[in-house]
Amino acid sequence: QVQLQQWGTGLLRPSETLSLTCAVYGGSFSRHHWSWIRQPPGKGLEWIGEINHTGNTNYNPSLKSRVTISVDTSKNQFSLTLASVTAADTAVYYCARITFTLTTKWFDPWGQGTLVTVSS
Amino acid sequence: QSVLTQPPSVSGAPGQRVTISCTGSSSNIGAGYDIHWYQQLPGTAPKVLIYGNTNRPSGVPDRFSGSKSGTSASLAITGLQAEDEADYYCQSYDSSLSGSVFGGGTKLTVL
Repeated sequence: QVQLQQWGTGLLRPSETLSLTCAVYGGSFSRHHWSWIRQPPGKGLEWIGEINHTGNTNYNPSLKSRVTISVDTSKNQFSLTLASVTAADTAVYYCARITFTLTTKWFDPWGQGTLVTVSS
Repeated sequence: QSVLTQPPSVSGAPGQRVTISCTGSSSNIGAGYDIHWYQQLPGTAPKVLIYGNTNRPSGVPDRFSGSKSGTSASLAITGLQAEDEADYYCQSYDSSLSGSVFGGGTKLTVL
């Protein structure tokens, strides 16, 4: 049973850099892609980006200029950094495993979520 | 404004059947990309309910079913139970964005 456990800084000032890490326990890390998704308070889900075990990435165009997702295969971990945060980046951030078929991809399982608040 | 459109809320009495719609466009659902559905209970992470339009992961009751036609998809819940009260999200891939997209979410209230 694959489990994802995430951690990172929960309170940031505007213009600082958000940093979160997700550790994967169980399963094959190199056989899947890995993703970050966020959810502002009381709102819906937004895909941030994804990475595979070789470090190939794909980002949401709306966040691409500020986002970096990296991977550490020696630790079965992947990380998210988001630069120059503002109050609009306040959200619960989730890490998730991506499962592929020829025509689609979905997210399962998810990490427990980390609330990141941006406030001066 | 989400790429996939869902009704903000639906409701039903215990035992009834409800459906939640998810409407997309020619760059996502209409392009043949599959739809997936997630259930998010209050204060918890989303959990996949339906993947690949119609498939249920092990452990998901057969009261939940999915369908897709054209540029739309639907999640049906039969025999509604109090424990089904949650937020439901659809998700697909969008070729214009070259990434995954979600619906805005639907809050299900069990009366």
